[in-house]
Amino acid sequence: DAGITQSPRHKVTETGTPVTLRCHQTENHRYMYWYRQDPGHGLRLIHYSYGVKDTDKGEVSDGYSVSRSKTEDFLLTLESATSSQTSVYFCAIRPTGQGAREQYFGPGTRLTVT
Amino acid sequence: DAKTTQPNSMESNEEEPVHLPCNHSTISGTDYIHWYRQLPSQGPEYVIHGLTSNVNNRMASLAIAEDRKSSTLILHRATLRDAAVYYCILKVYGGSQGNLIFGKGTKLSVKP
Repeated sequence: DAGITQSPRHKVTETGTPVTLRCHQTENHRYMYWYRQDPGHGLRLIHYSYGVKDTDKGEVSDGYSVSRSKTEDFLLTLESATSSQTSVYFCAIRPTGQGAREQYFGPGTRLTVT
Repeated sequence: DAKTTQPNSMESNEEEPVHLPCNHSTISGTDYIHWYRQLPSQGPEYVIHGLTSNVNNRMASLAIAEDRKSSTLILHRATLRDAAVYYCILKVYGGSQGNLIFGKGTKLSVKP
C-alpha cells in the first residue's frame, strides 16, 4: 500500500460543468501522474508533476488542467466536462530513492459525463 | 520508449505455472523491462522489473533473454487472484517525465 487515495471514486456530471478530481498521497513522493483509461486503450498520461507547482503536459492533456500546491495533493480539473472525458482516471506516484523504478497507482475514479 | 508485443490473451489452470511472453526487439541498452498487472476494477499494480539478469520476487520471476529482445514473466503457481491484464513496459530512466507507456497487455484467465 503506497498510501494513495483518490476522491471521489465515482462521479456523474453533466456536459459543461467543471469537475475536480483529487489524488492524495501520504509519503511525500515528488513525482505524481494522472492517467486515463478507456476501452481499447492502455493507460494514457494526461499531466504529471515533478514537485510543488511544477507540472507538465502528457499525451492527452487537452481539456484538462492540474495543480499541485502541496506535495501530498495533485488535483485534476476538467474546466468544462465533455462526453469524451467519460473515463476511469488513475493517479500514480513514483518514488525517487536509489534503485526505485516502480510506480504505484491509486484505486481510480470513474467519471461519467452525460 | 521502445515498443513491446504481447499476446492478447492466455489461459491457465489454477496451481499451474504460467509463462507470459513479451517481445521487445528494438530495446535499447538503457531500457528497463517492467511488468505491471491490473486486476478487474483496480489500478495497475507493479509486479517486477529487470535490466539484464533474471529477477525473482515474492510475486513472480522475470526471465530475460540473453540478447534482451524478449522476456517472460513467470507466475509459479497461478491462483484465481492472478486473473488480470499483464503489461510489459520498457522504460528508460534519467529523464524528467518518467511516465509509463501502456500497451494493451495480455489478459490472463485462470481456470479452477
